[in-house]
Amino acid sequence: GNSVTQMEGPVTLSEEAFLTINCTYTATGYPSLFWYVQYPGEGLQLLLKATKADDKGSNKGFEATYRKETTSFHLEKGSVQVSDSAVYFCALSNDYKLSFGAGTTVTVRA
Amino acid sequence: NAGVTQTPKFRVLKTGQSMTLLCAQDMNHEYMYWYRQDPGMGLRLIHYSVGEGTTAKGEVPDGYNVSRLKKQNFLLGLESAAPSQTSVYFCASSPPGQGEETQYFGPGTRLLVL
Repeated sequence: GNSVTQMEGPVTLSEEAFLTINCTYTATGYPSLFWYVQYPGEGLQLLLKATKADDKGSNKGFEATYRKETTSFHLEKGSVQVSDSAVYFCALSNDYKLSFGAGTTVTVRA
Repeated sequence: NAGVTQTPKFRVLKTGQSMTLLCAQDMNHEYMYWYRQDPGMGLRLIHYSVGEGTTAKGEVPDGYNVSRLKKQNFLLGLESAAPSQTSVYFCASSPPGQGEETQYFGPGTRLLVL
């Protein structure tokens, strides 16, 4: 079946630090891959996505590249801000449905 | 546009009580979903619908029922609540032809079953 494994948190960083959250997946076929973000007290929002191998998704300074050979979709940001504090979920799609990782809590300190 | 809205925001139930969670979307989306979010487990799909009048089971459907009588509404029912159903419930919807793509989430309903 389909599954997503992402780096456990929590992750605490200082402002302007580099952020990486690892995500690997197991899937049949060729899924699309996503990163969703959940700010405190809110629902999930799509952060970025990639629909095929070697695609790079990017948004708000975050990037992730669909790596079929390593079945990975790691999230990166070069310089985080306090406003990036949130829970980040990696997900893949299969037949109308999303499978989510457990989520990684990121806290950025000023 | 209000997007995806959920009612209520918070509810406390006693074991054995019943309740219905309402999800409404004003974006004319075909697909709608109910998830539960538990610590350390991400979101798990309970039930989903690919159109008005249709529903299907997700990953964790036991103890829940759903109905999609109108395109804009997706109801999640708990007939006899159990403490294991204490969770945060999220509804989501996605546009026609993009069932695998972007899902738009509501703000969540926090449910506590005593």
